[in-house]
Amino acid sequence: AQSVTQPDIHITVSEGASLELRCNYSYGATPYLFWYVQSPGQGLQLLLKYFSGDTLVQGIKGFEAEFKRSQSSFNLRKPSVHWSDAAEYFCAVARNTGGFKTIFGAGTRLFVKA
Amino acid sequence: NAGVMQNPRHLVRRRGQEARLRCSPMKGHSHVYWYRQLPEEGLKFMVYLQKENIIDESGMPKERFSAEFPKEGPSILRIQQVVRGDSAAYFCASSAQTTNEKLFFGSGTQLSVL
Repeated sequence: AQSVTQPDIHITVSEGASLELRCNYSYGATPYLFWYVQSPGQGLQLLLKYFSGDTLVQGIKGFEAEFKRSQSSFNLRKPSVHWSDAAEYFCAVARNTGGFKTIFGAGTRLFVKA
Repeated sequence: NAGVMQNPRHLVRRRGQEARLRCSPMKGHSHVYWYRQLPEEGLKFMVYLQKENIIDESGMPKERFSAEFPKEGPSILRIQQVVRGDSAAYFCASSAQTTNEKLFFGSGTQLSVL
């Protein structure tokens, strides 16, 4: 069965520092991969997605993610974190089973300190 | 162009009552997904519906939970005889088509069972 693992429950970084959030997936073929962000009390917003092609994907708000098939990973990165990036981040995997069922990781909460 | 609308934002029920959660997808979207989010957990897939059809309900509890997406009107997630363990945030998402499509999320309904 497909699954998504986000090893870090929460991460704290200083404003201006670089960020990497880890995501590993389990799936027999190349899935469709996503990163979503959730601000408190809000629904999720898509940051970026990978379906095929270039393994380095650019998203909104200065985020990028790299698909590494050999490691079954899809880590999210940002070179310089802003205080407004504090939120919860979810990695997700989907596959076409006649419809798209998206499975989410447990999330990583990002804290940004001044 | 309104996004995914969920109501109510907050719902309080006593044990044994029924809870009805509504979701109006984005205009033009015919695919609706329901997810449940418990504290400190990611989003758990519950059900995927298209107009008048349940496509995948593998995440729905076998009893007390049901979902529909009628030809006219919003999608409804119904929980009968609620228990305290049903307290969670319930998110609805919609998409326009089944292939390579990102999800648009509503702001969720926070269900509290007293």
